[in-house]
Amino acid sequence: LAKTTQPISMDSYEGQEVNITCSHNNIATNDYITWYQQFPSQGPRFIIQGYKTKVTNEVASLFIPADRKSSTLSLPRVSLSDTAVYYCLVGDRDYGQNFVFGPGTRLSVLP
Amino acid sequence: DTAVSQTPKYLVTQMGNDKSIKCEQNLGHDTMYWYKQDSKKFLKIMFSYNNKELIINETVPNRFSPKSPDKAHLNLHINSLELGDSAVYFCASSLRDDYGYTFGSGTRLTVV
Repeated sequence: LAKTTQPISMDSYEGQEVNITCSHNNIATNDYITWYQQFPSQGPRFIIQGYKTKVTNEVASLFIPADRKSSTLSLPRVSLSDTAVYYCLVGDRDYGQNFVFGPGTRLSVLP
Repeated sequence: DTAVSQTPKYLVTQMGNDKSIKCEQNLGHDTMYWYKQDSKKFLKIMFSYNNKELIINETVPNRFSPKSPDKAHLNLHINSLELGDSAVYFCASSLRDDYGYTFGSGTRLTVV
């Protein structure tokens, strides 16, 4: 399983764009990159998933360079309610290759 | 309607007891999982299961056993509970070829 490395914590202010970068140097050809968000006392929630280039949905954008050794989750104009832990996961489509959640990035959005 | 529901939400029990946590999903997913989140907030896979195969994380003690009466349910049985079993346990589900796991809200287990 590809190991991921993320910053332990980040601070931001309301209205700013937040970019969280994840390193996954040993990503495999079949691996996809997925990001989850977890609020206190809740289960993780799927945010976005991608394989290469850029993916955008109503919540976030995911930028993946050509070498795929890193990825960046971009949250536009964060609000206080975006304060959460964000997990970057890498894995392939074989259900046997289950995701391993690292410590994630604790994002604190300040007023 | 709750997509993945776990019961109970809180469970306090004494060492040595046997307990079960139930999980049900109404998403039509074919694969279900159990994760354990410890006090350091690391989420670790315990089991994944679909109607064909059970995959067990080798670090999980055999006191833990998943039971799946049907495709929509995956219960977690724990025998001889120990203090170190105290954690939040999350159930999740997904489709075989989809990474979008849907998680339940968790069961906080406290062993005293």
